[in-house]
Formats: sequence, structure tokens, C-alpha cells
Amino acid sequence: KAGVTQTPRYLIKTRGQQVTLSCSPISGHRSVSWYQQTPGQGLQFLFEYFSETQRNKGNFPGRFSGRQFSNSRSEMNVSTLELGDSALYLCASSLEGRPGQYFGPGTRLLVL
Amino acid sequence: DQQVKQNSPSLSVQEGRISILNCDYTNSMFDYFLWYKKYPAEGPTFLISISSIKDKNEDGRFTVFLNKSAKHLSLHIVPSQPGDSAVYFCAASPTGGSNYKLTFGKGTLLTVNP
Repeated sequence: KAGVTQTPRYLIKTRGQQVTLSCSPISGHRSVSWYQQTPGQGLQFLFEYFSETQRNKGNFPGRFSGRQFSNSRSEMNVSTLELGDSALYLCASSLEGRPGQYFGPGTRLLVL
Repeated sequence: DQQVKQNSPSLSVQEGRISILNCDYTNSMFDYFLWYKKYPAEGPTFLISISSIKDKNEDGRFTVFLNKSAKHLSLHIVPSQPGDSAVYFCAASPTGGSNYKLTFGKGTLLTVNP
């Protein structure tokens, strides 16, 4: 089975711009979660989608949003980028009823 | 406030010996705990988990122990191998879930010396 894939792997944007990141989960996985990883804060939960609905949400401002498509692929969007949004964004998928999430390699976003 | 804490940023052990990675949590709503391993330039990889109804779970060389009264869990790796060298994250999930809304510790870098 192919693992979780994320595109793009690297991205450079400037302040004020917006960005869309994409995640394709493992086939059959309907839950997709997004995390932000920074050196200071570690891994922080952004949100989780299941069957095209946001099921859980972390403590991030409304500039961070996401969606999930009928094929379970997910996108997250960050609008009005700030320097502090520079981070590694990780996507993870999981199978209902089975422990553990499977992470993709991440998208490294640099905001200048 | 940090609800999941890994107080040792790094740990170094000799090949063949035991590695013990520790994790403390403060939120009583957590009742499912997971350990992940992360190599550079890769996403975290799920290792092992434990539900709060258990105090021990074993999978090959990896054993996780949970002490609910102390709000403490630990990951034991026996015997340690050089390929185990990675950053290890402890994660916790609230009541009713096992895979969502995970709260992660900041990680412990394990180095296993040949």
C-alpha cells in the first residue's frame, strides 16, 4: 500500500499571501488529521476530518482551514500568511478502530 | 501549558542495553497514549500504544508502561539497536478517541551507540 503523500514538499511564500497544501491518505483511511511542527512548540494538532466533515479542531486561528473530498484526500489552507506560520505541516491518516496514525513526510513552509 | 511533557530532550545508550524514554501528562481526560518515532526528513511513525485500562503493552522489543496515578508513561526498548536512533514522541488522546486530537510531547532524541 502506498503511504500518505503530501504536496508540495517545500514552499516559500511571502507575508500576506495564502497557501494550500494537499494530502492523500492511505487507501481506505477516512480520517485525516493535520499538524503543525515548529522547533518551539513541537507538534500541534490543527484539525481532523472524517468523511468530508471536520470532526475535531485544535487551537489555531480561523486563518487555518481545511477540507476533505469524497475520496478522503484533504487540503489545508492558510490565508494572510504570517512569519510565524513557517513550519513543517504534517498530515496523518488513520483507520477507524485501529490505533495509530500514519504520517506523511510533511510540507515545509517558509514565510518571508 | 504543556499537557504532555518529555523532560529529557536527549538520551544516549549503548547498543544492546535498555533504553527508557519517559513521558508525563497533566490532563486527566487523556486515556489513550501512543509512542511515535521520527527520523530526519520523515513524518513520525507509529510504534506502540496503550489504553488507560491497561498498565503494560508489549510489542517485540518495545514495551510501554502506564502509571495512571502518577500520570506517567514510559517506553522501554530492549535490546537497543543503532537503527533505533531517532526522535521519540509521546502522544495522548482524550477520552473516547485513540487517533484524533493527539497532544504530543516535544520529543526525546535517542542515540544508540554501536
